[in-house]
Amino acid sequence: NAGVTQTPKFQVLKTGQSMTLQCAQDMNHNSMYWYRQDPGMGLRLIYYSASEGTTDKGEVPNGYNVSRLNKREFSLRLESAAPSQTSVYFCASSEGGEDNEKLFFGSGTQLSVL
Amino acid sequence: SQQGEEDPQALSIQEGENATMNCSYKTSINNLQWYRQNSGRGLVHLILIRSNEREKHSGRLRVTLDTSKKSSSLLITASRAADTASYFCATLRQTGANNLFFGTGTRLTVIP
Repeated sequence: NAGVTQTPKFQVLKTGQSMTLQCAQDMNHNSMYWYRQDPGMGLRLIYYSASEGTTDKGEVPNGYNVSRLNKREFSLRLESAAPSQTSVYFCASSEGGEDNEKLFFGSGTQLSVL
Repeated sequence: SQQGEEDPQALSIQEGENATMNCSYKTSINNLQWYRQNSGRGLVHLILIRSNEREKHSGRLRVTLDTSKKSSSLLITASRAADTASYFCATLRQTGANNLFFGTGTRLTVIP
């Protein structure tokens, strides 16, 4: 039981390049999330998917797109990377529901945009 | 804007001592959760307390919630070097999107 798996673990991009961060969970969770973590800022929600087939913007969605490919997979795409997107990105999942239960996190992707 | 803020930002104690971290938030919540993050790793859920609860225990962890003051505290008793990590509170708002808002974290160092 791997939990939440993110790939890649590290990535360096040049300004303007694009890339997709992959995330998969094997816990049959309904909800999935993408957060970014910056020093002194805590975690901020980029996008989330409450259930398969739905996606919604979080606090900081600009410059990102997401795809809920199926119940297991939720990808985050940077179409034209900018230095301000240098951050550590975390995918998370939860069972979902009205009273949101605990999140399970992946180990993160450290992204640097030069 | 951040929903939760932890206090202190950093805390250093000797092994065996108790560690207390505080979290303040701004809006009404459904529940409040505490997470732990070891350096270079993802966050791990520790404990959840609902808005109608005042105190909860899990092993060496004790969490309190005061909704009138919009604050929570996490107490780790008899700390160990392995407790060294960052601790985050996260709140689920009563209104708006169904997602958690995280604070900025407390960095705890337990000295052996």
